[in-house]
Amino acid sequence: DVKVTQSSRYLVKRTGEKVFLECVQDMDHENMFWYRQDPGLGLRLIYFSYDVKMKEKGDIPEGYSVSREKKERFSLILESASTNQTSMYLCASSFQGLSSAAKETQYFGPGTRLLVL
Amino acid sequence: GQQVMQIPQYQHVQEGEDFTTYCNSSTTLSNIQWYKQRPGGHPVFLIQLVKSGEVKKQKRLTFQFGEAKKNSSLHITATQTTDVGTYFCAGRGYQKVTFGTGTKLQVIP
Repeated sequence: DVKVTQSSRYLVKRTGEKVFLECVQDMDHENMFWYRQDPGLGLRLIYFSYDVKMKEKGDIPEGYSVSREKKERFSLILESASTNQTSMYLCASSFQGLSSAAKETQYFGPGTRLLVL
Repeated sequence: GQQVMQIPQYQHVQEGEDFTTYCNSSTTLSNIQWYKQRPGGHPVFLIQLVKSGEVKKQKRLTFQFGEAKKNSSLHITATQTTDVGTYFCAGRGYQKVTFGTGTKLQVIP
């Protein structure tokens, strides 16, 4: 079974703090993703990575950065947390398909609910 | 950029009624996936559709991919309380996958 773990289920931080969210997958997946989930807005992609040390901006990268030093680990960093970053953060990983028919199923971690005060 | 919208945002049904959620992309997709997120849980993969006009069934769930590969639907026949959750489509565009806004299904026993 694929396992994607996230460092915390719940986190409370203060405005201006630097926040690290860690994600680890055990299936040797090439792709890793960070999303935030807010009511009515679905899952919005923050950053993704197709390989070690490689990162691509998603749809809402402002205020975030990422790090992928090892294949199994993808970290999301909030440089200076703000109240509008209060959200559920979901990490996911997938195999990298070579065609449109390849099943790039995304496996999600349990999520980190972040509250910024 | 690529946008994927789902309607309706919420749906309440009586147990035994049918349910349909629709997914529309602003761009042509190479494939589309569907996920289900139970309350308090994380999204879990249901199915992937690749071909234009493709229809796939999983027990009471029927998935369709439009002829133009820009829209998709999920239909549940005779809903049960175990169907409760949020259903997301995820469309693969040129470089990345974009998730839809989701449809939250409530089933009244």
